[in-house]
Parts: sequence; structure tokens; C-alpha cells
Amino acid sequence: DAGVIQSPRHEVTEMGQEVTLRCKPISGHNSLFWYRQTMMRGLELLIYFNNNVPIDDSGMPEDRFSAKMPNASFSTLKIQPSEPRDSAVYFCASSSSGGSSYNEQFFGPGTRLTVL
Amino acid sequence: EDKVVQSPLSLVVHEGDTVTLNCSYEVTNFRSLLWYKQEKKAPTFLFMLTSSGIEKKSGRLSSILDKKELFSILNITATQTGDSAIYLCAGGYSGAGSYQLTFGKGTKLSVIP
Repeated sequence: DAGVIQSPRHEVTEMGQEVTLRCKPISGHNSLFWYRQTMMRGLELLIYFNNNVPIDDSGMPEDRFSAKMPNASFSTLKIQPSEPRDSAVYFCASSSSGGSSYNEQFFGPGTRLTVL
Repeated sequence: EDKVVQSPLSLVVHEGDTVTLNCSYEVTNFRSLLWYKQEKKAPTFLFMLTSSGIEKKSGRLSSILDKKELFSILNITATQTGDSAIYLCAGGYSGAGSYQLTFGKGTKLSVIP
């Protein structure tokens, strides 16, 4: 299994541009999580999906951020317009949903976003 | 608001030393405490603790949870340079439909030869 796949691995863009980050979860996993990691705030949950449905997006910082999961094997996180303070590493993770039981979250390699 | 606080934020030790990393948590509907190791890339799972006072071990790493004091420690004995990483602690809780994690900011461990 290839694990969680994220693209691009690095993204450098200018303020105001639209940024789209992509994630392919592990096949068979039905929970998908988007996290953002910065030195100041650590690893923060932005949004998570269960069976392709967004369950909790309370961590999404503002309306400039949106996420979709059109099918079980693909999700996107979009920032429009991007700002320098969005610079961070964005991780996607997936797990097999066990309801109230923990199933390990497997993290992708992350996308390092730099907004100039 | 849920929070997980780790200390120290960074630590430098020599090979062979023993280190203790600390994690305190306040997590609503808490179910378990998890430790992850993050090297250059993605966090990788180390331990999950659900019961107080029961130590979990994996080689030179061990961890224990105190649910009364809302505290966990991660011990690493006979440290090696390969232990250099950021160690993340997370409080796990049940959200609608799945299991969610609230992470601390991590402890950056540097092991020098």
C-alpha cells in the first residue's frame, strides 16, 4: 500500500493566489482528516470527513478555506485567496472509522505551503 | 476549549541519556492519550494509552497515563541519535462518526553523539 498520498509536496505562491492541496487516502479508509502545522500553533485539525461527508469543519480558520471530498479516494483543500499567514505544512490523514473506537490515523507526507 | 500542553518545548541530550517528556491535557469526552514521533515528515504512531497506571513499552520507549491528574509521560532510555525528532502528544475523543485528536505543540528532542 502506498500510504496516504499528498500533492504537491511543496507549493510557493504569491499572496492572493488560489491554492489547491490534494490528498488520496489509504484505500478502504473512510475517515479523512486535514491538519495544519505551524511552529506557533502546532498541529491543528482543520476538518474531517466520514464516508465523504464533512463532519466537523470548526477548525477551518475562515471562509477563505474550503475542503471537498467528491469520492472515497480523493479530497482537496483550497485556499482562496491565499495570505502569507497561511504558510504552514498541511497534512492529510486517514483512518478506518471505528465509531467510538480509535483506529490509527495514518498521515501523508504533507504539503509545505509558502505564501509570499 | 480543549488543550494539550507539552513540556519541555525542546531538549538537547547526549547519547545514552534518559529523557522524560511531559504531556498534560484537558479534553472533553476524553478517550485516550496518544504519542506520535515526527521526524522530517509525517507523524508516526507510537502509543495509545487508555487506562491509568498501566505502562506501555516498546523497546527503549515507555509511557504511562494518569487520568486523575490528566497527565502522561514518555520515557526514552539509552537515547540514540535516531531518537532525534519532535514528539507529539494528542488527546483522543469521540466526535460524530469518528475519533478525533487534539495535539500538543510537541517536544523537539535532539540527541547529540
